[in-house]
Amino acid sequence: SQQGEEDPQALSIQEGENATMNCSYKTSINNLQWYRQNSGRGLVHLILIRSNEREKHSGRLRVTLDTSKKSSSLLITASRAADTASYFCAALSSGTYKYIFGTGTRLKVLA
Amino acid sequence: GAGVSQSPSNKVTEKGKDVELRCDPISGHTALYWYRQSLGQGLEFLIYFQGNSAPDKSGLPSDRFSAERTGGSVSTLTIQRTQQEDSAVYLCASSGSSGFANEKLFFGSGTQLSVL
Repeated sequence: SQQGEEDPQALSIQEGENATMNCSYKTSINNLQWYRQNSGRGLVHLILIRSNEREKHSGRLRVTLDTSKKSSSLLITASRAADTASYFCAALSSGTYKYIFGTGTRLKVLA
Repeated sequence: GAGVSQSPSNKVTEKGKDVELRCDPISGHTALYWYRQSLGQGLEFLIYFQGNSAPDKSGLPSDRFSAERTGGSVSTLTIQRTQQEDSAVYLCASSGSSGFANEKLFFGSGTQLSVL
């Protein structure tokens, strides 16, 4: 399969808790990005981490990248009900234009 | 336009009919992607355009699928003789330049295709 893998497939937490989702990919990459999808339609870019970076922060988001393990994680701190959505990682294979998306994590934040 | 626009937003068709899905990327974006997403699944890469050229069409599922891009702008994805397994959301995305190293994708809202 050309898809990356994400876990967990689904995650349910209480408002205020942190949410962590993981992504694994198969090839060497240029960068890895995380996207959010509401209601199964358009995706919105959240954060990009380059292959030579190990950690990146943006607001309540923290992304880590371990190229030796071909894995990344997304941490959302102090979650809110509005964070309820599906989250996808997308890896840009080195030397190509092709973004390979993971299978996604469905996050539900309970108020 | 302000964002990536796709039309129609929903399309219901009968098995065996042809359909055309349209994507208007963000003005000036040279790269354009088509993805397919089946219910509850991840995104499946279909095709990429750089300008009007499609360097890699290997993601297209069968020869019933074709895509073109004209004027470095609008793209059309055509599915001939639709089958029920073609039912999915078809997503279009564009990005800014030919330097694909660190570009984020801007997605349209997708076309929900239902083949009866």
